[in-house]
Amino acid sequence: EPEVTQTPSHQVTQMGQEVILRCVPISNHLYFYWYRQILGQKVEFLVSFYNNEISEKSEIFDDQFSVERPDGSNFTLKIRSTKLEDSAMYFCASNRDRPNTEAFFGQGTRLTVV
Amino acid sequence: GENVEQHPSTLSVQEGDSAVIKCTYSDSASNYFPWYKQELGKGPQLIIDIRSNVGEKKDQRIAVTLNKTAKHFSLHITETQPEDSAVYFCAPTSDSGGGADGLTFGKGTHLIIQP
Repeated sequence: EPEVTQTPSHQVTQMGQEVILRCVPISNHLYFYWYRQILGQKVEFLVSFYNNEISEKSEIFDDQFSVERPDGSNFTLKIRSTKLEDSAMYFCASNRDRPNTEAFFGQGTRLTVV
Repeated sequence: GENVEQHPSTLSVQEGDSAVIKCTYSDSASNYFPWYKQELGKGPQLIIDIRSNVGEKKDQRIAVTLNKTAKHFSLHITETQPEDSAVYFCAPTSDSGGGADGLTFGKGTHLIIQP
């Protein structure tokens, strides 16, 4: 069964460092998303991406965040200068052909900023 | 934006009993109502969804009911089993904006099935 894959599963980084979280969405999907989940809290929307550009972004997605789809398969989230409060699970998700259908989530990357 | 409330935050039921989780929302334009299940250490997974032209949908032990007038929808799990233990999130959504809006999740309900 096709699935969304994320790497790494766990990333530890020093405060102020840049991190890149990687995702491979399901191959025929058109809409891509990043979400984050601070430990014990709800899943929060960060950004959506469609047709090679950002479609929507939340207030959380400030200038330190960026997304890219550098080739036909990878979808990345970059955090330029990490802060302690960026520590969270980051989930990538994709939808096949329109937003209001099943979103398929990856297993997540646990980011720990120290 | 959408304001989503979920109740209860924690629900403990005996194995074999039923569980009901309620989600209320504020945006009257919402027209898609999914429920996601998140097991420990995993990403959310869709378990059932309903659209606003339907009042109830059932899939084996799981059902979702929708009251658009009152702006709430509920997840019903019957004959609960240990593997139903997880956190459940609702994520009511509107596609009226035209963009690829992300999901607005409720705060989640931790369902505990007691053996």
